[in-house]
Amino acid sequence: GQNIDQPTEMTATEGAIVQINCTYQTSGFNGLFWYQQHAGEAPTFLSYNVLDGLEEKGRFSSFLSRSKGYSYLLLKELQMKDSASYLCAVRGHNAGNMLTFGGGTRLMVKP
Amino acid sequence: DGGITQSPKYLFRKEGQNVTLSCEQNLNHDAMYWYRQDPGQGLRLIYYSQIVNDFQKGDIAEGYSVSREKKESFPLTVTSAQKNPTAFYLCASSGSSGGSRGDTQYFGPGTRLTVL
Repeated sequence: GQNIDQPTEMTATEGAIVQINCTYQTSGFNGLFWYQQHAGEAPTFLSYNVLDGLEEKGRFSSFLSRSKGYSYLLLKELQMKDSASYLCAVRGHNAGNMLTFGGGTRLMVKP
Repeated sequence: DGGITQSPKYLFRKEGQNVTLSCEQNLNHDAMYWYRQDPGQGLRLIYYSQIVNDFQKGDIAEGYSVSREKKESFPLTVTSAQKNPTAFYLCASSGSSGGSRGDTQYFGPGTRLTVL
C-alpha cells in the first residue's frame, strides 16, 4: 500500500516564498505529481517528478528525493490567487496508472 | 476545445434513489477515472477504466457502478447501496497507463452531489 503525508494548512504572506512538503511510503514508485485545487473546483496539474532533483516551472518548483521518500513544492513571489489546496499524489507500479493522493495542504496567502 | 466535461455541476437526490453522473472527454484518452472527495480530504479512487468495455474497482467501489461503452464516456451511477453519497465527484482521464509524464491525469470540473 501507499501512505502520503502533507501538512493540513499553511499561511504565508504575499510576495514571500513557501515550501509545501510531502512524504510518502510506497511499495513501488513510478512518479509524483503536484496539483493545485481552488475551493469547489477541479485539481489542475502543476508538476511531475520521477527522477531525483528539482523541476522548475515559472514561480513553481518541485523537488524529489526517492531515497528519502520526500518531495516539496516551492512557490515563489506568492500572489493572492495562490491561495488554494495543493495535492501531492504518488503513482506506484500498477497497471492502471493509479494515483494515491495525500489529504492536501490548504495554503492561505495574506496581504 | 479539448477537455473533460461533467454534468450536472450540482445534483440533489433523495435518499434511496440511484443517480448517474456524466463524464465525457474529447482528448482521445484511453484511461478514465472516478474519484470522490470529502470536505478537507484528498481524492479517493472509486473506479477506473483503461480501455473500452473494461473497468476495475478502486479503493471505495462499494455502492457505485460504471460502464465504458465508448472511449469518450465513463458514467458513474451512485446507487442506493452507497451509505454516505454526499460528496464532490471528480472524473479524470489520461493518455495511457504506460507510466510516463504523458500519463498525467487531467480532471473535469466535478459534480457536487447532495443527498437530502
